[in-house]
Amino acid sequence: DAKTTQPTSMDCAEGRAANLPCNHSTISGNEYVYWYRQIHSQGPQYIIHGLKNNETNEMASLIITEDRKSSTLILPHATLRDTAVYYCIVRVANQAGTALIFGKGTTLSVSS
Amino acid sequence: DGGITQSPKYLFRKEGQNVTLSCEQNLNHDAMYWYRQDPGQGLRLIYYSQIVNDFQKGDIAEGYSVSREKKESFPLTVTSAQKNPTAFYLCASSQSYNSPLHFGNGTRLTVT
Repeated sequence: DAKTTQPTSMDCAEGRAANLPCNHSTISGNEYVYWYRQIHSQGPQYIIHGLKNNETNEMASLIITEDRKSSTLILPHATLRDTAVYYCIVRVANQAGTALIFGKGTTLSVSS
Repeated sequence: DGGITQSPKYLFRKEGQNVTLSCEQNLNHDAMYWYRQDPGQGLRLIYYSQIVNDFQKGDIAEGYSVSREKKESFPLTVTSAQKNPTAFYLCASSQSYNSPLHFGNGTRLTVT
């Protein structure tokens, strides 16, 4: 079972920031939060991941709450090409026999 | 360029036939994974392999088989025992458990 909860869908205007929430209230201390996105009929694309500190890269920012029970992916200036399904996943680090478990994700629709 | 190659992109088979999906990576990654995706659904884990000659069942392994004879190759066989084989199949790899997954562009299998 997926260990995260995300809204089914969200809308965002082009050029505005897209803030995608994720609830992972049962996360353990050694579990990372990963974000991927999938454009229709392609393989998922890695966006960002973090453990407890906020992270930023060229694609997005990841804000993790202090209790680590939720996080937000921020796309600072959404474009039409950011329309995709976004998956929030928790993963155990350095433990044999585990893998990423995907839920249904959030469908983000960016419109002009 | 380094990456994951899945072939073919589209595959058609008759019911009752076994079919093997190819997945090759030149990223020198130790771990490889197979996921299945049905329309409107997230990804479900079929099998994964942490190292050559070793693999573990995921959530939906019944009706599937894999082998990992070489580091760069992780073929998936969909057997006639799989009740609903028509789906989009995604292969992925990662350098370690802390590392992001890199996905191929998938194989869409249709069984009639």
